[in-house]
Amino acid sequence: GAGVSQSPSNKVTEKGKDVELRCDPISGHTALYWYRQSLGQGLEFLIYFQGNSAPDKSGLPSDRFSAERTGGSVSTLTIQRTQQEDSAVYLCASSLPWGPSGNTIYFGEGSWLTVV
Amino acid sequence: AQRVTQPEKLLSVFKGAPVELKCNYSYSGSPELFWYVQYSRQRLQLLLRHISRESIKGFTADLNKGETSFHLKKPFAQEEDSAMYYCALGSFNTDKLIFGTGTRLQVFP
Repeated sequence: GAGVSQSPSNKVTEKGKDVELRCDPISGHTALYWYRQSLGQGLEFLIYFQGNSAPDKSGLPSDRFSAERTGGSVSTLTIQRTQQEDSAVYLCASSLPWGPSGNTIYFGEGSWLTVV
Repeated sequence: AQRVTQPEKLLSVFKGAPVELKCNYSYSGSPELFWYVQYSRQRLQLLLRHISRESIKGFTADLNKGETSFHLKKPFAQEEDSAMYYCALGSFNTDKLIFGTGTRLQVFP
């Protein structure tokens, strides 16, 4: 597709269950980001993948959160043993490598996660 | 460490009034600053970047390294400017974007 695609668009899960959120970046984009957007918290950086480099996991809030990127393309964000405070919109974004004029990242529409 | 601060969570103005959305940053290197915008029921998108020195939809932003600020300004706000605005900081060294907490702009008729 032409843009960043995320699935599911909405997910309601019970507390304690695991969830997987998927991101399909723009073709050719080597950089992939996951952010979390919640009321009052703004846009919280979670994890960043760039090519074959080791991912920057510095934003993951706990060890219940993990992400992988297979084949340098599709990424999956996994949240284990979900808690109510995990309820948020999870945004994926992709971009080309950082260039002389900086970088524009392109966002998906997000996955709305509700933990009940 | 990189940090972006947007002190206002909500900014409300009337149509035609000037607007300034504040952004301050903390970074020891050479920063790249951006403004991203999210209109209702749309995805987050780039509004402008400091390196381009451009005006988009009447908005401008000047990087002030002395004050470590990158405030977004528009002389005459329009109702369609109502949206969530995020300031972002990146650099070639860190190769990732860090966002502020965002400011919601409401423009009343």
